[in-house]
Amino acid sequence: GAVVSQHPSWVICKSGTSVKIECRSLDFQATTMFWYRQFPKQSLMLMATSNEGSKATYEQGVEKDKFLINHASLTLSTLTVTSAHPEDSSFYICSASLPRRFSLADTQYFGPGTRLTVL
Amino acid sequence: DAKTTQPPSMDCAEGRAANLPCNHSTISGNEYVYWYRQIHSQGPQYIIHGLKNNETNEMASLIITEDRKSSTLILPHATLRDTAVYYCIVNTGGFKTIFGAGTRLFVKA
Repeated sequence: GAVVSQHPSWVICKSGTSVKIECRSLDFQATTMFWYRQFPKQSLMLMATSNEGSKATYEQGVEKDKFLINHASLTLSTLTVTSAHPEDSSFYICSASLPRRFSLADTQYFGPGTRLTVL
Repeated sequence: DAKTTQPPSMDCAEGRAANLPCNHSTISGNEYVYWYRQIHSQGPQYIIHGLKNNETNEMASLIITEDRKSSTLILPHATLRDTAVYYCIVNTGGFKTIFGAGTRLFVKA
């Protein structure tokens, strides 16, 4: 149980285009999902917290107009990188937490990641 | 939010136990200790978590000191596939999981 998927697993795009990444919780409903970014040889950096039916909460320094997050259902959150540039090339990872009625803790289940390369 | 301190890297011989330490001296009473690992180019994987008592599951054991200021993750019989970066994280209470640098574990044949 507690499986999270991401699509696509990798994407290459031209500078200036927009890219959408999907994150799905396959066997549970996730009221909260998270988006991370990871550069080579670095740790994961939290970008934003996505709550179903409400606006995402972005971490300091993350441009909300550049990284659009939509959490329209309890099993799907999307991250759109708008007007992508080479410096946006990174490994993007989403995660979802089980609803608290199933756990007293805040265990995160992570997707396999999406590698974005902007040319 | 409590922060954690981990050694940057460790080696372990295949088949031996891997003991990964973590210091979290400013942990609050209601905060959990979590361990995740990330194998190269994959998303992190949940391993185990605990509050006060020691915990064991099919992957690992978690030993938390009585004062809760440190913990140790134990992989009882490390294999080459356990080579990964291991992250010790203290729950912030706001559903956010903040990653530190972690410990890079090398399991050698």
